[in-house]
Amino acid sequence: AQSVTQLDSQVPVFEEAPVELRCNYSSSVSVYLFWYVQYPNQGLQLLLKYLSGSTLVKGINGFEAEFNKSQTSFHLRKPSVHISDTAEYFCAVGNTGFQKLVFGTGTRLLVSP
Amino acid sequence: ETGVTQTPRHLVMGMTNKKSLKCEQHLGHNAMYWYKQSAKKPLELMFVYSLEERVENNSVPSRFSPECPNSSHLFLHLHTLQPEDSALYLCASSQDRDSSGNTIYFGEGSWLTVV
Repeated sequence: AQSVTQLDSQVPVFEEAPVELRCNYSSSVSVYLFWYVQYPNQGLQLLLKYLSGSTLVKGINGFEAEFNKSQTSFHLRKPSVHISDTAEYFCAVGNTGFQKLVFGTGTRLLVSP
Repeated sequence: ETGVTQTPRHLVMGMTNKKSLKCEQHLGHNAMYWYKQSAKKPLELMFVYSLEERVENNSVPSRFSPECPNSSHLFLHLHTLQPEDSALYLCASSQDRDSSGNTIYFGEGSWLTVV
């Protein structure tokens, strides 16, 4: 069975500061990894995904994530955040076969001036 | 605009009411999903439809009844709900049910409050 752990329920940060949102997963098979963002009163939107190949994945809005197989991690980073990045961020893991993503509990990013 | 539209956006219903949530996708996808999002809990996959056939039911109580009349529409019929069923219900779609890293596209959700 797969699982995803997002240890930080909330991350406060000042505008223009760098940020890292942590995600660790467990799976017995090869995985696909995703980061979704949910802005207030909206559904989830894909930020980026890792399928194979380069372990550094670039997504929308200046976000990137690095797949680390040995540490079973897929942390999300942005070098300089904006107020508009305030949202809930969800890490998810899937594998080959049936499309059944397992989501983490989410990390709320709070960007203040 | 994600291509997945949900109505209504907000619904308040009593425990004896019958109501339905509607979802429509304009992406030409073959798979559609219902998820439940509650505070401080991971997203819970409720139902999966592939080519209008239900392929997964994750031990969801029978007071939730899905319907998929065609590949573009998905309903969630609600009856005799409990207050703990209050949550955000998200509809989603993807090209196929098989995971090859297919992106799942979500609607904006329907906020359900059971009183």
